[in-house]
Amino acid sequence: DGGITQSPKYLFRKEGQNVTLSCEQNLNHDAMYWYRQDPGQGLRLIYYSQIVNDFQKGDIAEGYSVSREKKESFPLTVTSAQKNPTAFYLCASSLPGINYGYTFGSGTRLTVV
Amino acid sequence: AQSVSQHNHHVILSEAASLELGCNYSYGGTVNLFWYVQYPGQHLQLLLKYFSGDPLVKGIKGFEAEFIKSKFSFNLRKPSVQWSDTAEYFCAVKDTDKLIFGTGTRLQVFP
Repeated sequence: DGGITQSPKYLFRKEGQNVTLSCEQNLNHDAMYWYRQDPGQGLRLIYYSQIVNDFQKGDIAEGYSVSREKKESFPLTVTSAQKNPTAFYLCASSLPGINYGYTFGSGTRLTVV
Repeated sequence: AQSVSQHNHHVILSEAASLELGCNYSYGGTVNLFWYVQYPGQHLQLLLKYFSGDPLVKGIKGFEAEFIKSKFSFNLRKPSVQWSDTAEYFCAVKDTDKLIFGTGTRLQVFP
């Protein structure tokens, strides 16, 4: 079955360490997205990519980095520069254009101690 | 930039009560609107979407939403909620190439 796989489901890291969250899709979608979900704040866009080897910053990109070397993969690195990294991270993908919604992964809960 | 407002942050209902969750968006032109639901421990799922045509949109699980252009609104409704509707609901608007989400409404339904 086609879908989006995010791994791991839970991740614990020490403060000051970089950590990379995985997102893989087999839907043949061109566009991929990373959102951060915090209680009471909804989903806030971190980065998105419409095509391989190209990506754009979202509303809260500071302290994060991404790469898009393959159509299927869009990993997110949470760097030590991110001041409040503990959160639930959601990856999504879609076909390009305004008429399409997203398919979401099941998320990664990152806890930094 | 577009924005989405969901004014009901937490709604508590008894089973069989009617539901209406508010959603307002900022953009005055052509909009594509969505409602997503996140059941406890599950990923976000699409409930319904509006692109054009009939402003009353029907989705899954008995939900519907009405697009009212003059009010910049896209409220979600269900005539009779069930305990299984307990979830968080997100309204979103498609801004060119990305979805802009509201802050979400947490719905709790008690038997």
